[in-house]
Amino acid sequence: GAVVSQHPSRVICKSGTSVKIECRSLDFQATTMFWYRQFPKQSLMLMATSNEGSKATYEQGVEKDKFLINHASLTLSTLTVTSAHPEDSSFYICSARSGDRGHPNEQFFGPGTRLTVL
Amino acid sequence: GENVEQHPSTLSVQEGDSAVIKCTYSDSASNYFPWYKQELGKGPQLIIDIRSNVGEKKDQRIAVTLNKTAKHFSLHITETQPEDSAVYFCAASKSSSASKIIFGSGTRLSIRP
Repeated sequence: GAVVSQHPSRVICKSGTSVKIECRSLDFQATTMFWYRQFPKQSLMLMATSNEGSKATYEQGVEKDKFLINHASLTLSTLTVTSAHPEDSSFYICSARSGDRGHPNEQFFGPGTRLTVL
Repeated sequence: GENVEQHPSTLSVQEGDSAVIKCTYSDSASNYFPWYKQELGKGPQLIIDIRSNVGEKKDQRIAVTLNKTAKHFSLHITETQPEDSAVYFCAASKSSSASKIIFGSGTRLSIRP
């Protein structure tokens, strides 16, 4: 149980286009979802926290107009990278927290999405 | 805010030997300490966690220890196997719905055949 999926797993896009990444909790309801960014050989950097039905909370230095997050249901959150540029190329990982499964702060991670902007 | 430091950054171990990864945290209010294994091109997977009301937890070849006084916690892998090669992250968090998980910088573990 506690499976989180991401789609797509890989995406290549042209500079200036927008890309949407989906994160789904498959067998539980996620009251909170998180979006992380990971550069090669580095740790996970939290970008934003989203709670179902409310606006996402962005970490310092993360542009909310650049990285649009929607958490419309208890099983789905989306991250849209708007007007993508090569420097946005990275590995994006989502995670979900149930609140009633495991430790209150236990997060279940998705498999990640590799974004390459040409 | 919370800060988690992790050492070493890389670790090479002979197959069959043990591997130890150490972390320290700064916020004494942290009470949840998960460890994640990340294979190349994949998301992190929780392998074990420990809560502040216990000092040690074991699951087959993996064990974690926690010293709350010193704010240290460690991951021990015994009888290492090639499939243990991966990047391992420690993390710390508090029991609050608003708390984030703060990750260490990661340890790249390589198992030599």
